[in-house]
Amino acid sequence: NAGVTQTPKFRILKIGQSMTLQCTQDMNHNYMYWYRQDPGMGLKLIYYSVGAGITDKGEVPNGYNVSRSTTEDFPLRLELAAPSQTSVYFCASNIQPQHFGDGTRLSIL
Amino acid sequence: AQRVTQPEKLLSVFKGAPVELKCNYSYSGSPELFWYVQYSRQRLQLLLRHISRESIKGFTADLNKGETSFHLKKPFAQEEDSAMYYCALRLSSNTGKLIFGQGTTLQVKP
Repeated sequence: NAGVTQTPKFRILKIGQSMTLQCTQDMNHNYMYWYRQDPGMGLKLIYYSVGAGITDKGEVPNGYNVSRSTTEDFPLRLELAAPSQTSVYFCASNIQPQHFGDGTRLSIL
Repeated sequence: AQRVTQPEKLLSVFKGAPVELKCNYSYSGSPELFWYVQYSRQRLQLLLRHISRESIKGFTADLNKGETSFHLKKPFAQEEDSAMYYCALRLSSNTGKLIFGQGTTLQVKP
């Protein structure tokens, strides 16, 4: 089992560009989550999903979109990258305990 | 407002010394609290949860509703305990949504 896999691990974007952060899990978990972690801060919930076809906003959803067409995949999309979205992004699955991926370090310049 | 506070960014102790990582929360409902840990080059993972009242790797944490605290303790720190520790509060058992504290880096010196 790979668990939760996030790609890419690192990315640099220009302001205004768009990209999709990929997250896939092979544990058949219904619940999945996207967090961001800014320097010196805790993780903040962006979006979550309780099952395929169902998504909902977390604490900091502005500037992001998600979809959940399958149980395995939960991609996070940035449509118009802004410097404030520079962060480390974590995907997690399972309601408890949550299983985390390695993270994606995203810089927007 | 719901909030989790970890007042110390860094806690540095010597091997064999007692450790206490502080966590305070603010929540109007019945709290469910967790400690997550991230060791160097590893993924964030659950260390323990208050409901199970267990001891994991020598760590314990007791929920004190009167003081709204969930401090993590270990009587004798080991070098392998060096890691980043996050306290988390579960907002909903239906969705599993968590609020995390800012995290405390524990550094255990030889």
